[in-house]
Amino acid sequence: GEDVEQSLFLSVREGDSSVINCTYTDSSSTYLYWYKQEPGAGLQLLTYIFSNMDMKQDQRLTVLLNKKDKHLSLRIADTQTGDSAIYFCAESSSGGYQKVTFGTGTKLQVIP
Amino acid sequence: NAGVTQTPKFRVLKTGQSMTLLCAQDMNHEYMYWYRQDPGMGLRLIHYSVGEGTTAKGEVPDGYNVSRLKKQNFLLGLESAAPSQTSVYFCASSPRLAGGLNEQFFGPGTRLTVL
Repeated sequence: GEDVEQSLFLSVREGDSSVINCTYTDSSSTYLYWYKQEPGAGLQLLTYIFSNMDMKQDQRLTVLLNKKDKHLSLRIADTQTGDSAIYFCAESSSGGYQKVTFGTGTKLQVIP
Repeated sequence: NAGVTQTPKFRVLKTGQSMTLLCAQDMNHEYMYWYRQDPGMGLRLIHYSVGEGTTAKGEVPDGYNVSRLKKQNFLLGLESAAPSQTSVYFCASSPRLAGGLNEQFFGPGTRLTVL
């Protein structure tokens, strides 16, 4: 079945860039997503990328997709303490009910 | 617009007790989902529904039942709770969109402890 893998933890200093990485196995993925979960809250969609794109930029967020290696990354520029959260990578493929498979989440800790 | 709401927010059960978690959405979404979140395991899909009156099993359905009698509500039931069901439960909904995009909207979660 589909699998999405992420490292569990990342620590960065405030003002630095953060890069969170993700690998997936489903070659038929059509969309890849990044969700953010703040403490005690549900997940919220940050951004997504269509599988025929290799980059998407949205303010401080840059998503890079290497479809050949099935590798997705999220770069957060000028990381702030408010960016401390768990970040989930996810993928979906077309057809059926468009099942979404989530990764295990990467906890980002921003050190002031 | 309340989005996705869940009740209750917290619950403690004894082994063998039953309970129902309620999820409601006011966005007229077709699809609804129940997930559980456990440390180091991410989100795992329990059951889902593609429309009113229909439900289907997800990745970890054992010990749970669901019902979707109304489009806006999705109920998750535990008939006989076990300590292994201690978890945080999230409900989500998404609109039916063409082309494979599935943006899910999540509720705030229910923290369940089974003693």
